[in-house]
Order: sequence, then structure tokens, then C-alpha cells
Amino acid sequence: SQTIHQWPATLVQPVGSPLSLECTVEGTSNPNLYWYRQAAGRGLQLLFYSVGIGQISSEVPQNLSASRPQDRQFILSSKKLLLSDSGFYLCAWSSPGGAKNIQYFGAGTRLSVL
Amino acid sequence: AQSVTQLDSHVSVSEGTPVLLRCNYSSSYSPSLFWYVQHPNKGLQLLLKYTSAATLVKGINGFEAEFKKSETSFHLTKPSAHMSDAAEYFCVVSDQWTGNQFYFGTGTSLTVIP
Repeated sequence: SQTIHQWPATLVQPVGSPLSLECTVEGTSNPNLYWYRQAAGRGLQLLFYSVGIGQISSEVPQNLSASRPQDRQFILSSKKLLLSDSGFYLCAWSSPGGAKNIQYFGAGTRLSVL
Repeated sequence: AQSVTQLDSHVSVSEGTPVLLRCNYSSSYSPSLFWYVQHPNKGLQLLLKYTSAATLVKGINGFEAEFKKSETSFHLTKPSAHMSDAAEYFCVVSDQWTGNQFYFGTGTSLTVIP
């Protein structure tokens, strides 16, 4: 069966420090991968999605970047964190294809930038 | 353009009474619709999905939703609320033209009163 792992679960970082969040998927090949951010009391905002190795689409301009160095690995990064980067970050995957494919979510990372 | 409106940001019900969480969508083409549930500091779990089959969709934990094209609605219901249903609920739309992308509502927080 397919599983998605996301770590760390919580992270406290000072302003200006770098960030690296990792997400890996097991049990499937060539998944579509997604990074979302959920700010307190708000819905989910799609940050990045990827349909293959090295293929990253960014939905909103921001202080973050994403990379997909391997088929089932998706990394969210920042060179210098801002206070506004605080939030709950969720990774998700879906099978390749169209709109009927379900997205499956990781457990999330709670990031606090102080 | 695709979008989802969850009409209530907060809903409170007594244990054992019916639950109604409202969702209206906007989609240019045949949509796929989903409901996800999120417990505090957890990832999102799929409750149910509509993908152009039966308009009344049954999901996990006794939830169901009815797709009404004429009303562009996809409301989530449950006959009898349980304490464990207290969580955040998200309505999501996708369609064949957005393909890989999901569009989330802002969420409805469900409180169950004992």
C-alpha cells in the first residue's frame, strides 16, 4: 500500500534561518506531488506541485522553493525564513492523471518562525 | 475559474443530532468534488468523493454528500453526530481542465456538544 511520510512534525526556527522540509512517498511510481500551506484559521494554499523529477510549478510568488531530486521525494526549502512563513505545511500525492485522482496527505509540519 | 465556498466557518451540534456542512462550488466543466476532514495538528483524511457517478455519495464514518448540479452544491451530512466528529472539514473541487490541482474551501469547524 502507499504511504506518505513528512518530517519533521514540528519545527521552531529563527527569522533569517534556512528551511528544509522533506516528504517521501512509498508504494507508487511517478506520483504527482504537492506542497500546501495552511495559515491559522484559513484554508489550504497550494504552494508547489510536481508531475515528475525536476518539474516544479509554483502557484504563488514567495520566499520558498521546492525541489524533486528523486521520483518520490519532494523538498520544500527557504534560504531565509520570514515571520510570515509560519504555518502548517502539508505534503500530498496523487496518481498521475486527471481530475478524478484523490490527493493523499501527510501528517503535516508545524513551522513556527520566531 | 474553479472555486469553493463553505458557507459556515463554524457549526455546533449536540451529540446525536444531525450534521449539515454546506458547500457551493463554481466550475466551468464537469467537476470532481471531495470532502476532507482534519483533526487538530493532523493531515487531511478523505471522507468521500464525487466523480460523475451516483449523485448521492456515501463516505466513511457515516457521512454522505449529495451533488446537486442545479444548485452547484455538495453539502455534507450525517444523521447523528458523534464526539469524535469534532474537527475541521474542507470541501474541494477539481475538474478535467485543472487536472492535478485541487481548490479548497476555507473550512468549517465542527463542534460537537455532549
